[in-house]
Amino acid sequence: EAEVAQSPRYKITEKSQAVAFWCDPISGHATLYWYRQILGQGPELLVQFQDESVVDDSQLPKDRFSAERLKGVDSTLKIQPAELGDSAMYLCASSFTPRGMVYEQYFGPGTRLTVT
Amino acid sequence: AQTVTQSQPEMSVQEAETVTLSCTYDTSESNYYLFWYKQPPSRQMILVIRQEAYKQQNATENRFSVNFQKAAKSFSLKISDSQLGDTAMYFCAFMRPYGGSQGNLIFGKGTKLSVKP
Repeated sequence: EAEVAQSPRYKITEKSQAVAFWCDPISGHATLYWYRQILGQGPELLVQFQDESVVDDSQLPKDRFSAERLKGVDSTLKIQPAELGDSAMYLCASSFTPRGMVYEQYFGPGTRLTVT
Repeated sequence: AQTVTQSQPEMSVQEAETVTLSCTYDTSESNYYLFWYKQPPSRQMILVIRQEAYKQQNATENRFSVNFQKAAKSFSLKISDSQLGDTAMYFCAFMRPYGGSQGNLIFGKGTKLSVKP
């Protein structure tokens, strides 16, 4: 069964350092999402891609976070510099979402980031 | 802006019993989707059940069913014949299917369900 892949699964970094997360969606899924899940809370959307274009990045802290999906397939989320408050689980999800249709989002296992 | 509220941070149920998880939401939209997602410990989030707001009939998936009350903006999940494998965090989520934020999920804070043998 196809799955969303994420790496690394765990990352420990010191504050002010740069960190990057990678996501490979299910083949054929045009829509890709990055969510941040703080311990004990529900995920919150950071950025949404439709193919290689950003559809929604209104909740992305653009002074330190960046995201790209250059060829409309896999995606990278970067934080520079990392802050203590960035410690969280970063989830990637993908869906086959032709405009006007709604399909299930499939989630990856996440990357747990700890900033020390 | 849409909000989703889950008022039960933790719940427990005996194996084989029935449990109901509560969820309320706030929106001015008339057409939307609601979901329950399950996040087992150290495992990825998976979809349990979905409900389209325009459908009056409550969705069911095997042992999982919902009670959707559109006027009250309530969307509860009932788990029948609870199994140990149902132990997980359960998230209620709202999706607006149209517009610039098409497909974005807005999650509640979750309910931690423990099924006891």
